Amino acid sequence: NAGVTQTPKFRILKIGQSMTLQCAQDMNHNYMYWYRQDPGMGLKLIYYSVGAGITDKGEVPNGYNVSRSTTEDFPLRLELAAPSQTSVYFCASSRPDGTYEQYFGPGTRLTVT
Amino acid sequence: AQSVTQPDIHITVSEGASLELRCNYSYGATPYLFWYVQSPGQGLQLLLKYFSGDTLVQGIKGFEAEFKRSQSSFNLRKPSVHWSDAAEYFCAVVFPTDSWGKLQFGAGTQVVVTP
Repeated sequence: NAGVTQTPKFRILKIGQSMTLQCAQDMNHNYMYWYRQDPGMGLKLIYYSVGAGITDKGEVPNGYNVSRSTTEDFPLRLELAAPSQTSVYFCASSRPDGTYEQYFGPGTRLTVT
Repeated sequence: AQSVTQPDIHITVSEGASLELRCNYSYGATPYLFWYVQSPGQGLQLLLKYFSGDTLVQGIKGFEAEFKRSQSSFNLRKPSVHWSDAAEYFCAVVFPTDSWGKLQFGAGTQVVVTP
């Protein structure tokens, strides 16, 4: 199993551009999550999904959108990128079995200039 | 308010010495408690977790953590640190009222290991 995969690994965007961060998992996990990691701030939840077609906002959703059309994929869309969105983005997934163990992807480092 | 705190931003430890990382939470009951490790340029890996029962839990890579209800703490320890333990460590909680298992993270503790 590949686990949780994220593409791209690195990206530089200009202010106002848009992009989609891809996330896929092959563990048949129902739950998926997007976090951003900023220095000294830990990880903050952006959006999460509990199954195909079901998504909800986390702690810091502004400037982002998500969709979940399949169990495997959970893309994160940035519209009108801003310097404040410079961060490292992590996708994670988990089973709805009460263990709450999340499996993380390797991350995408995004710079907006 | 519900929160999780890691008081130490940065810790330097000599190889072979013991390590203890602190984690405190603020909540009216016992949350589900986790420690994750992030090696440079990598994603996060679960070290151990506590839900209930024995308050001393063993994890991977020789780590253990002790839950102390009276102190609302879940401190991570390792008796003898190896150079490969240099990483950032995150304490995280899931509050039992959360049906979807959303993790709330502390700010992290950066561990530097010196020869």
